[in-house]
Amino acid sequence: KAGVTQTPRYLIKTRGQQVTLSCSPISGHRSVSWYQQTPGQGLQFLFEYFSETQRNKGNFPGRFSGRQFSNSRSEMNVSTLELGDSALYLCASSLDATGLGGNTIYFGEGSWLTVV
Amino acid sequence: QKEVEQNSGPLSVPEGAIASLNCTYSDRGSQSFFWYRQYSGKSPELIMFIYSNGDKEDGRFTAQLNKASQYVSLLIRDSQPSDSATYLCAVDLYNFNKFYFGSGTKLNVKP
Repeated sequence: KAGVTQTPRYLIKTRGQQVTLSCSPISGHRSVSWYQQTPGQGLQFLFEYFSETQRNKGNFPGRFSGRQFSNSRSEMNVSTLELGDSALYLCASSLDATGLGGNTIYFGEGSWLTVV
Repeated sequence: QKEVEQNSGPLSVPEGAIASLNCTYSDRGSQSFFWYRQYSGKSPELIMFIYSNGDKEDGRFTAQLNKASQYVSLLIRDSQPSDSATYLCAVDLYNFNKFYFGSGTKLNVKP
């Protein structure tokens, strides 16, 4: 069974640009969530999507957005990039079991974003 | 106060010893608890999860949960150099599929 696939793996952008990252969840998983990992802040929750709807949101500015398609694939976008957005962006997928327990999330390999 | 707290380490243990990693959480509504391992430059990989008070064993790993004291621990028996990594504790508050992660404990297993 294929794992969570993220593209691109590495990218370099200039301040002020925007970036779009893509994620394909594990087959059968309907929930996709995104996390940002930096040395200073650790792993932080960005947002979670289920059935093309954003169900949970973390404390990030509106420059960070996402969407989910009908096949559960997801994209996240960061507009007007800042130097501080340099990070590892991780996508995670899970079977939906909200409120019931069992929401084990499985991470992709991540997209390394460097903003210069 | 952060939702999940971990000692950043590094924790150094000799090969073959038991490594004990600890984590505390602040919200008593926390329902599900997870341990992930992250090698340098890689993404986190799930080790195990625990929902109920007590111990849960999986191979060389044992997770322990004490909801009254609000702590979760991970024991690694017969530690190997390949276990050297950062161990992340995570909590899914109210099972909303929104995970809070600790900052991680770096484990060094010395041959």
